[in-house]
Amino acid sequence: EPEVTQTPSHQVTQMGQEVILRCVPISNHLYFYWYRQILGQKVEFLVSFYNNEISEKSEIFDDQFSVERPDGSNFTLKIRSTKLEDSAMYFCASSEDRARGGYTFGSGTRLTVV
Amino acid sequence: KQEVTQIPAALSVPEGENLVLNCSFTDSAIYNLQWFRQDPGKGLTSLLLIQSSQREQTSGRLNASLDKSSGRSTLYIAASQPGDSATYLCAVTHNTDKLIFGTGTRLQVFP
Repeated sequence: EPEVTQTPSHQVTQMGQEVILRCVPISNHLYFYWYRQILGQKVEFLVSFYNNEISEKSEIFDDQFSVERPDGSNFTLKIRSTKLEDSAMYFCASSEDRARGGYTFGSGTRLTVV
Repeated sequence: KQEVTQIPAALSVPEGENLVLNCSFTDSAIYNLQWFRQDPGKGLTSLLLIQSSQREQTSGRLNASLDKSSGRSTLYIAASQPGDSATYLCAVTHNTDKLIFGTGTRLQVFP
């Protein structure tokens, strides 16, 4: 069964450093998403991406965050200057058909900012 | 603003029991509702997707129902097994395609 692949599975970074989280969505999917889950809290939407541009973003997704689809397969989330409160599990998801829904999630990247 | 709530927050049952997990949402104008399973420290596995026009979906021992007008969905797990132990999340899409997640139900099935 097709999978969404995320790397790395765990990343530790120092406060103020830049991190890039990587995702390979399912190949025929057109809609891409990032979500995050702070330990013990709800899964929260960050951003959706379609046709090489952001279609929606939450208030969490401020100027420190950016997304990119640098080639035909990768989808990345960059955090420019990490803060302690960015520590969370970050999930990438993709969907084939926005109207019908049905999202496939990756296994996540656990980001720890120290 | 759409809010999604799940009860109970945690549930511990002996193997073999039939279970009902509840999800409620404040705005009935949803596009669809999806149930996920999350194992500790892991990603989200999609279990069932119900379109707003549908009343229920079934997959194996799982059955999910949707009552849009009352803002509720239930996930029914038949003949529970220890391998069903996980956190179960429901999520809705409201006026966009972003998922709005509930608080989750942490299920433990003991032998």
